[in-house]
Amino acid sequence: AQTVTQSQPEMSVQEAETVTLSCTYDTSESDYYLFWYKQPPSRQMILVIRQEAYKQQNATENRFSVNFQKAAKSFSLKISDSQLGDAAMYFCAYRSAGSGNTPLVFGKGTRLSVIA
Amino acid sequence: DGGITQSPKYLFRKEGQNVTLSCEQNLNHDAMYWYRQDPGQGLRLIYYSQIVNDFQKGDIAEGYSVSREKKESFPLTVTSAQKNPTAFYLCASSMPAGQGSTNEKLFFGSGTQLSVL
Repeated sequence: AQTVTQSQPEMSVQEAETVTLSCTYDTSESDYYLFWYKQPPSRQMILVIRQEAYKQQNATENRFSVNFQKAAKSFSLKISDSQLGDAAMYFCAYRSAGSGNTPLVFGKGTRLSVIA
Repeated sequence: DGGITQSPKYLFRKEGQNVTLSCEQNLNHDAMYWYRQDPGQGLRLIYYSQIVNDFQKGDIAEGYSVSREKKESFPLTVTSAQKNPTAFYLCASSMPAGQGSTNEKLFFGSGTQLSVL
């Protein structure tokens, strides 16, 4: 079974600075997807960024980018120019890309605080 | 607008009572999922259904039951056998994932907070 580990329960960053959230995963599969979801105080799950394992290029979405190291099974999220609205729980998640619909496997999350 | 609707937003359960959480989607997604969220535990899978009239247990299915009689609906019943039901419950839906697909992400509802009286 796949597992996802987020080793930082809490992180903080100064406004306008850069922060990196860590995520490692364990799998024997070669084809899969990785995600970062944000959960603000409203508790609505918001997709931040996704990465396809078969693509070498790291995904980017505006101020959010990932460092995907397939051999190391590492998938960190970098937030640049942090804003107060970035304060939230961040979850790393894994999804098999096999046939059919497969569930997401989530890490335990990292709570990010942004300091003004 | 297409989306996933969970109701109620807040639910209270008395001792020995079964309660049912509603999840409806109009995205025409084949698959639906139930997750439980506890502080510090992340999201854990309770049940999921890949197609109508079929569902599979997740990691923490004990004390829960589901049905999938319609594509749009996937209700979750928290039975009296679930001794620690207080948690935030999230429903999600998806299309199949596959190489080159752009449908691999899960769409989430807004959640139901269940508490014990």
